[in-house]
Amino acid sequence: AQSVTQPDIHITVSEGASLELRCNYSYGATPYLFWYVQSPGQGLQLLLKYFSGDTLVQGIKGFEAEFKRSQSSFNLRKPSVHWSDAAEYFCAVGASGGSYIPTFGRGTSLIVHP
Amino acid sequence: DAEITQSPRHKITETGRQVTLACHQTWNHNNMFWYRQDLGHGLRLIHYSYGVQDTNKGEVSDGYSVSRSNTEDLPLTLESAASSQTSVYFCASSDGLVGNEQFFGPGTRLTVL
Repeated sequence: AQSVTQPDIHITVSEGASLELRCNYSYGATPYLFWYVQSPGQGLQLLLKYFSGDTLVQGIKGFEAEFKRSQSSFNLRKPSVHWSDAAEYFCAVGASGGSYIPTFGRGTSLIVHP
Repeated sequence: DAEITQSPRHKITETGRQVTLACHQTWNHNNMFWYRQDLGHGLRLIHYSYGVQDTNKGEVSDGYSVSRSNTEDLPLTLESAASSQTSVYFCASSDGLVGNEQFFGPGTRLTVL
């Protein structure tokens, strides 16, 4: 069965600092991988996704993620965090085997200090 | 623009009452899902549907039901609301391609007193 682990429940960074959110997955084949962001009081919004090809994926709002098969990781990065990036971030593995249900991680809450 | 909407956005009800949360999408997606989000539990799947007249139970389906009479709507019904069902509920949809992303509604905050 596929699974997703986000090891960090909370991450605190200063505005302007770089950010890396960790995501590890368990999956039997090449996975479909996603990062979503949830701002306070809102639904989840897709930041970026990886299906195949270039392992460095660019997303919206200046985010990027790198797929590393050898480490089963898909970490999210941003070179300079803005206060508006404070939100909950979810990593997900796409559905497989005829299922359309993705597996979500528990989420990482990003706190940005001025 | 296509979208997915939920109503109401906030709801307060009493224990034992029947409650229905609406979800409407204009993406023309076959797949629709209901999740609940609680602190410490992330997103948990309640029910899902792969098309009209199709409904399936998720991991936390007890006390909930859904029906799918058209492509656009998947209402979620709490048959007899319990305090344990106080939560934020999200509806999502996706097209019929395996691995494709879900599109989420803005959520409904339900409080059961």
